[in-house]
Amino acid sequence: GAVVSQHPSRVICKSGTSVKIECRSLDFQATTMFWYRQFPKQSLMLMATSNEGSKATYEQGVEKDKFLINHASLTLSTLTVTSAHPEDSSFYICSARDSRLAGNTGELFFGEGSRLTVL
Amino acid sequence: AQSVTQPDIHITVSEGASLELRCNYSYGATPYLFWYVQSPGQGLQLLLKYFSGDTLVQGIKGFEAEFKRSQSSFNLRKPSVHWSDAAEYFCAVGGTGSGYALNFGKGTSLLVTP
Repeated sequence: GAVVSQHPSRVICKSGTSVKIECRSLDFQATTMFWYRQFPKQSLMLMATSNEGSKATYEQGVEKDKFLINHASLTLSTLTVTSAHPEDSSFYICSARDSRLAGNTGELFFGEGSRLTVL
Repeated sequence: AQSVTQPDIHITVSEGASLELRCNYSYGATPYLFWYVQSPGQGLQLLLKYFSGDTLVQGIKGFEAEFKRSQSSFNLRKPSVHWSDAAEYFCAVGGTGSGYALNFGKGTSLLVTP
């Protein structure tokens, strides 16, 4: 199956700094990627839809100035948590759909996730 | 809006026993339904998916799920659970097109006892 890679898998930063998380589709192109956030023992919450070559679409309640998303190529989307605070500590997961799949079957391929800890 | 409900937050089963995890969806048309599994600290792995056709879907690791439109359900089953099946299980619903994300249920945590 298609592979989505996230980096870094774990990051610890000081409060007030910015952190960038990369999401790459390794063997397919993805015009659209999705960023989810997962709190401990909870479900995945969609943060934003990342569109190649255009602005991301953010879900209600997600601060676009706090969570900057850039989708500069068909295989790379980045999430930058700006001026991070302890409440931003979470597990961030990206996903992408392989648009080549016949019928666009709706399946999303997920990265391994990135655990952010803000001190 | 499309959504899924997983009524059971935690389920404990004995190794070798059968398993059924419940999932109910809310969607006007025929939904695209998925079951994913997540081990601690890991990403999500697709177990199986339903788009159309045969309502009984076979997946990986011996899992299957049955789509029942009359009950708006898509329950996950396994006839004999292994200790390695202990994980978090998520049901999800999605639409077609590259711009459609998946909406996830809150998950069911499966504990397998000896």
